This record gives sequence, structure tokens and C-alpha cells, in this order.
Amino acid sequence: DVKVTQSSRYLVKRTGEKVFLECVQDMDHENMFWYRQDPGLGLRLIYFSYDVKMKEKGDIPEGYSVSREKKERFSLILESASTNQTSMYLCASRTDALGVQPQHFGDGTRLSIL
Amino acid sequence: QKEVEQNSGPLSVPEGAIASLNCTYSDRGSQSFFWYRQYSGKSPELIMFIYSNGDKEDGRFTAQLNKASQYVSLLIRDSQPSDSATYLCAVKGQFYFGTGTSLTVIP
Repeated sequence: DVKVTQSSRYLVKRTGEKVFLECVQDMDHENMFWYRQDPGLGLRLIYFSYDVKMKEKGDIPEGYSVSREKKERFSLILESASTNQTSMYLCASRTDALGVQPQHFGDGTRLSIL
Repeated sequence: QKEVEQNSGPLSVPEGAIASLNCTYSDRGSQSFFWYRQYSGKSPELIMFIYSNGDKEDGRFTAQLNKASQYVSLLIRDSQPSDSATYLCAVKGQFYFGTGTSLTVIP
């Protein structure tokens, strides 16, 4: 089974801090994704990556950046955390770039910015 | 216009009934459609997916596509309390997810 592991289940940070969310997958997938999930807004794509050192903006990239130095690891960075970034963050991976294969999600990181 | 929309519900059905969930999409050229189930506090897990060439049945679940009206349905037959969850629809390479429909199956 594909395993997507997010480094923290719960995280509390302060406004202005630089925050790192880590995601690791064990199935050699080229494609990795970061979403945030908010009540009433559903899952929204922040950034995705098709390969090492490649990144593409999703629907809501403002205030975020990403890093993919190794194939198995995709990091989401909040450059200067703000309260409106309090959310559930979900990482996912899959084999194909077109999105016709299923995605595998991590357990999520519930991030609170105080 | 949103890429994908779902009725947030909640949808309640008695145990053993058929639950019908719908998802409308805006891009007429969409080729693949995914249904994920998400239990409270958990991450989404794939239920099933279909391509634009036809419907699909998998056990108690059936996904149907209506291209003319641009919606895809998920039918759950013989609904069980364990089916109580939020169901998410995804389109356009799974770059866009609906807000989800909350389903409650009443014993």
C-alpha cells in the first residue's frame, strides 16, 4: 500500500513565524500535491510538483512556497504565518501528471496560527 | 463559475436505502471524475472513478455520468451506517474538488 506520511498531526504556531510542513511518500510517485481544507470551501490546491525541483502554483499559492529536493519529500512553507492560514493541510501523491490515476492522501496536519 | 459543485447536504437516508449524491462540473471537456469518501477527522480515500466513456459499478457503489447535463452521480445501494461520511467529487485532473456532501445513514 502507498504510504503518505505527514510529519505532524497537530501544530500550533504564532503569527509571523516561518512554518514548515513535511510530507514523505514511499511509492516513488513523481507527482505530489499540497491542499488545504476549510469548512464550506472544500479542498483547495496550493502547490503541486511533477518532479524533483519542479513546482507549479495551484489555486491559492499566496503566502506559501514549496520545496522538493528529493523525489519522496515535498515540503510546504508558510513564509510568515498569519491567522487566516489556520486550516487542515493535506498532502497527496500519485503516479501520473494528468490526474487520471487515484491520489493517495496523508493523514493531514491541523495547523493553528495564534 | 466554480469548476465543480456539490450540494453540501446533509443528506439523510435510512439503512438499506439508496443514497444518491450529485456533482456538477463546468468544463464540458472533462475526461475523468473521482469520488472520495472522508470520515470525520480523517483524510479522503478513493471510492471509485470513471472516465468519460461510461458508467461504473463496484459492489454497492455505482458512478454515473450525464455529459449532456454535466453532472456525475454516486449511488450507494443498501446504505449502511458505516457509509456515513462526507463524499467529495474531483474533476480536471483532481486539481479541483467539490466542497463535499455529508451523508448520514440512519439505523
